[in-house]
Amino acid sequence: DIQMTQSPSSLSASVRDRVTITCRASQSIRTFLNWYQHKPGKAPKLLIYAASSLQSGVPLRFSGSGSGTDFTLTITSLQPEDFATYYCQQSYSTPWTFGQGTKVEIK
Amino acid sequence: EVQLVESGGGLVQPGGSLRLSCVVSGFTFRTYSMNWVRQAPGKGLEWVSYINTSTTGTIFYADSVKGRFTISRDDAKNSLYLQMNSLRAEDTAVYHCVGCSGGRCYDDGFDIWGQGTMVTVSS
Repeated sequence: DIQMTQSPSSLSASVRDRVTITCRASQSIRTFLNWYQHKPGKAPKLLIYAASSLQSGVPLRFSGSGSGTDFTLTITSLQPEDFATYYCQQSYSTPWTFGQGTKVEIK
Repeated sequence: EVQLVESGGGLVQPGGSLRLSCVVSGFTFRTYSMNWVRQAPGKGLEWVSYINTSTTGTIFYADSVKGRFTISRDDAKNSLYLQMNSLRAEDTAVYHCVGCSGGRCYDDGFDIWGQGTMVTVSS
């Protein structure tokens, strides 16, 4: 199985901060990497697919990059509604696997 | 409006069975590949099972549930199911119904999610 490792596990940030979350795969997954936002009690939401493609309706402050084993999710100007847990997920091969999550909290 | 509504969760004893259902609306269900993804209390997301559109019928399971869980779909009823047998304490989780438009889970990720139904396995 492909292991996905996110860092950091949590971070504290202020509104308007730039936030970067990294995700590393245990083997090359080319660009089969997706990012999700999850708030407690809500359905997770797809933000980025295929490493860098912005899902329809997602604000432009979210962006993704990377290929192979190393990937990044960037939020350029953190907004109050962005405080949540973020997960990366590889869709290169089954079993599809997620990172352990990065909780973004208010500083 | 796209909606996925899960039901069938609850409290069950170890070794017991449950059948989860997911009724969808607001999109063409038969063109979507579907999955179940779970989240145990205090843990991250874990993919459980996948079923392709009925034209191919391809099915996958996570090793942790293989041989115990069965995924199925009824396109006429816009419904997805998960039959869970021989339940264990480690199956305790919120179970989300998840779809991939055009069957493109590999390329485009999981683009629609339900809020989930809670399954608790305990004596």
